[in-house]
Amino acid sequence: AQSVAQPEDQVNVAEGNPLTVKCTYSVSGNPYLFWYVQYPNRGLQFLLKYITGDNLVKGSYGFEAEFNKSQTSFHLKKPSALVSDSALYFCAVRDESSNTGKLIFGQGTTLQVKP
Amino acid sequence: DGGITQSPKYLFRKEGQNVTLSCEQNLNHDAMYWYRQDPGQGLRLIYYSQIVNDFQKGDIAEGYSVSREKKESFPLTVTSAQKNPTAFYLCASSITGTKYGTDTQYFGPGTRLTVL
Repeated sequence: AQSVAQPEDQVNVAEGNPLTVKCTYSVSGNPYLFWYVQYPNRGLQFLLKYITGDNLVKGSYGFEAEFNKSQTSFHLKKPSALVSDSALYFCAVRDESSNTGKLIFGQGTTLQVKP
Repeated sequence: DGGITQSPKYLFRKEGQNVTLSCEQNLNHDAMYWYRQDPGQGLRLIYYSQIVNDFQKGDIAEGYSVSREKKESFPLTVTSAQKNPTAFYLCASSITGTKYGTDTQYFGPGTRLTVL
């Protein structure tokens, strides 16, 4: 079965420090991977996606993600965290078992950046 | 959130009532989706539509119904058969809705439904 796991419910970092939000996946075939961010009572905002090519994907607001095929991971990173980065982050993989663009989402990770 | 609107932002329902959540997009996307979000459970797919006048059940379709009469509109009805409807509902759209493209799904701002 295809799935996405975000092993940490919450990540705490100090402002200015680097941050990592972890994501691992299980799919048949080549994975199409996404990161979204959600602020309280808002919809999801697209950050970045991996389709193919360079394993380091750059996205919005200074975020980047590293695709690692051998470890089946797609961790979200940022060199220097901001308090305004505090939000709920979702990793998702496209469902390759059907002929649709359905996404399978992880449970979400709350990022708390402290001043 | 740009290009996809959802209304109302907050909705209160009494037991036994049907309610309809609106989703409109002006992105000229073929595919539209409805998700339900509960705390700690991520997003779960309710229904999706890849083209006008066609839609398919997602993972948790029981107690919900949809229609897709126009490309830009995909309303969701929460029926009285849905036993636990209190949740945050998110609508999304993408260009093609197939696995043969490199679509990105874009989300609306959401509707919070509360059963009184």
